[in-house]
Amino acid sequence: AQSVSQHNHHVILSEAASLELGCNYSYGGTVNLFWYVQYPGQHLQLLLKYFSGDPLVKGIKGFEAEFIKSKFSFNLRKPSVQWSDTAEYFCAVSSGGSYIPTFGRGTSLIVHP
Amino acid sequence: SQTIHQWPATLVQPVGSPLSLECTVEGTSNPNLYWYRQAAGRGLQLLFYSVGIGQISSEVPQNLSASRPQDRQFILSSKKLLLSDSGFYLCAWSLGTGANVLTFGAGSRLTVL
Repeated sequence: AQSVSQHNHHVILSEAASLELGCNYSYGGTVNLFWYVQYPGQHLQLLLKYFSGDPLVKGIKGFEAEFIKSKFSFNLRKPSVQWSDTAEYFCAVSSGGSYIPTFGRGTSLIVHP
Repeated sequence: SQTIHQWPATLVQPVGSPLSLECTVEGTSNPNLYWYRQAAGRGLQLLFYSVGIGQISSEVPQNLSASRPQDRQFILSSKKLLLSDSGFYLCAWSLGTGANVLTFGAGSRLTVL
C-alpha cells in the first residue's frame, strides 16, 4: 500500500523566512501528487498538484513544489513566508490505477509576524 | 459552480447513541464521494468512498458505516457510538474519472462522551 511521509510535523518561522516542507512517498510507479492546505477555520483546499510534465509546479500564494522521481519526493517551497501562511499543510499521493489519494500526517506551520 | 455541504458542524453524543452525518454536493453529477477522519498529528484517514449510488467501499473496519441513497448524497452512520469515534469527519467529492482533485466540506466535529 502507498504511504506518504511528512517529516516536519511542526514548523515555526518568522515572516520573510524561506520554507521547505518535505514529502516522500513509497510507490515506485506513476504517481499524482498534491499539496493541500487548511487555514485556521477554513476548508481543506488544494494548494498545487502534479500530474505530468514540468516537475516544478507552481500553486497559489507563491508556493511551488518539485517532483523528484529518483528521490520519491514532492517538497513544498516558498521563498518568503507571510503571517497569513500559518496553516496545516498536507501532502497527498495517488498512484497506479487508483484515483484515491493517500495523505501524509500533515505539517503545522506557524509564522510569527 | 460546485458546492459541498456537510452537517451538522458540531455534535456531542453519548456513548451507545446512533450517529448520522450528512453530506451533499451540488452542481455536478455522478461524483466520487469520500468520508475521511482527521485526527491531530495523524493526517487524514480514508473511511469510505463511493463511485455511485449504493456503491460503498470501506477502507477501515470499524464501528461506522456509509450509505449513498442518492447520486449527490453521502451519509456516515453508526448504530452505537464508541468513545474512540470522537474526531473530525470530512466529506469530499471529486470528478468521476481519473486522478482528480478532492474538494472538501467544512467538516463535522464529533465528541462522544
